[in-house]
Amino acid sequence: EIVMTQSPATLSVSPGERATLSCRASQSVSSNLAWYQQKPGQAPRLLIYGASTRATGIPARFSGSGSGTEFTLTISSLQSEDFAVYYCQQYNNWPPDTFGQGTKLEIK
Amino acid sequence: EVQLVESGGGLVKPGGSLRLSCAASGFTFSSYSMNWVRQAPGKGLEWVSSISSSSSYIYYADSVKGRFTISRDNAKNSLYLQMNSLRAEDTAVYYCARDKYQQPFDPWGQGTLVTVSS
Repeated sequence: EIVMTQSPATLSVSPGERATLSCRASQSVSSNLAWYQQKPGQAPRLLIYGASTRATGIPARFSGSGSGTEFTLTISSLQSEDFAVYYCQQYNNWPPDTFGQGTKLEIK
Repeated sequence: EVQLVESGGGLVKPGGSLRLSCAASGFTFSSYSMNWVRQAPGKGLEWVSSISSSSSYIYYADSVKGRFTISRDNAKNSLYLQMNSLRAEDTAVYYCARDKYQQPFDPWGQGTLVTVSS
């Protein structure tokens, strides 16, 4: 089973600033990596797939990069609605599809 | 609009059973694999089970193998999760989610809460 490790667990950033979230896989997942956003009481929403492709309707301030075992989600200029929990998921070696433990992005 | 709507959650005693349903609309249900993912209160996401489009391939997490059964009815555009021998650690919001081979989960339903407690 591939283990996904996200860092940091909590990230405090001011609105308008840049946020950088990391995700590491225990073995290569190629580019089969997705990022999801989850707000309290809501289901996860797909942001990025294929490590760097934005899902339909996702603003351009969200970008993903990386391949193999190291991945990054960058939010270029944080808006109030971006404060949430973010999860990465590998879908290269399954089952199981595995998720990181999440990064909580909070207002500084 | 692609939509997934879960139902069937509730309070059940340890050792009890529950059947979750997921109603799909807005897409050709029979062309997609489907999944159940759960989230314990205050915790992260845990994949539970997957079923291929024609039910030929079925997979379970080790934590539920032998207790949960996933199934689907393509004629009714519905996905199911039969949960037996429930334990306190099965308490979670259960989401259904769509995917295809080597594709992410998208979209997700709104979730249904299962609480296992005496």
